[in-house]
Amino acid sequence: DAGITQSPRYKITETGRQVTLMCHQTWSHSYMFWYRQDLGHGLRLIYYSAAADITDKGEVPDGYVVSRSKTENFPLTLESATRSQTSVYFCASMYQGADTEAFFGQGTRLTVV
Amino acid sequence: GENVEQHPSTLSVQEGDSAVIKCTYSDSASNYFPWYKQELGKRPQLIIDIRSNVGEKKDQRIAVTLNKTAKHFSLHITETQPEDSAVYFCAGVGGSYIPTFGRGTSLIVHP
Repeated sequence: DAGITQSPRYKITETGRQVTLMCHQTWSHSYMFWYRQDLGHGLRLIYYSAAADITDKGEVPDGYVVSRSKTENFPLTLESATRSQTSVYFCASMYQGADTEAFFGQGTRLTVV
Repeated sequence: GENVEQHPSTLSVQEGDSAVIKCTYSDSASNYFPWYKQELGKRPQLIIDIRSNVGEKKDQRIAVTLNKTAKHFSLHITETQPEDSAVYFCAGVGGSYIPTFGRGTSLIVHP
C-alpha cells in the first residue's frame, strides 16, 4: 500500500536494551523526520533527513541514532533504552519544499520498563 | 532555529460556539504555516495551511489568519461540533524545510 508506515505499533522493552523503530514510505519523499510526542511537550524533533545518507540532529537527539541508506527507509534506534524514552514516536515524510504537507505514520507507542 | 508558541493548551466550548487557537513564531524566514488535527490514538493530519503571501484562508467551518508583521497566526473553528474534539497543532516551516510544532491545544466540544 502507498503511504508511510511504522513498525512496530507497540513495543515494551527493558532499560538498557537496544530497540529499533522502523519507518517506510512509498512516495520517494526527500525529507523524513522522527518526532516524539509527550504530554505537555507536543511534537519534538529527534532527527531528520533531507535525502539518503544525509541526516541531522533535531531538538532532542541524545540517546538516539538514525540512518538512511535508502530513500524509503528511516529507522530510529535507541542504543540503550531509558525510562525517559517512554513515549509515542511518529515518523513523517515530506516532499522537498518549504510549503508542503508533512505526512505522518501511525505512530509507535514505546514503553521502557 | 524556529520556536512556535501555542495557546491555550486546553479549550473547552459548547457545541455551536466558536473556537480560536493562537500561535506565534520566532523565525521571520518561516513562510508556511500548517495546522494539524490529531484525534485520540491517531496520527496528526493536515486540516488547513496558509502561506506567507496570504493573510487569510477559509475552508468551510475552519479558517486561518496570518499576521507576518506580528508573527502571529490563528485557527478559527465556527459552529463547533463534538467531532471537532481533538488535539490541534500549529507549525511553522521555513527555508530549512523542518516543521516546528507548537505544544498542541486540546479542544473539547461539549454536546
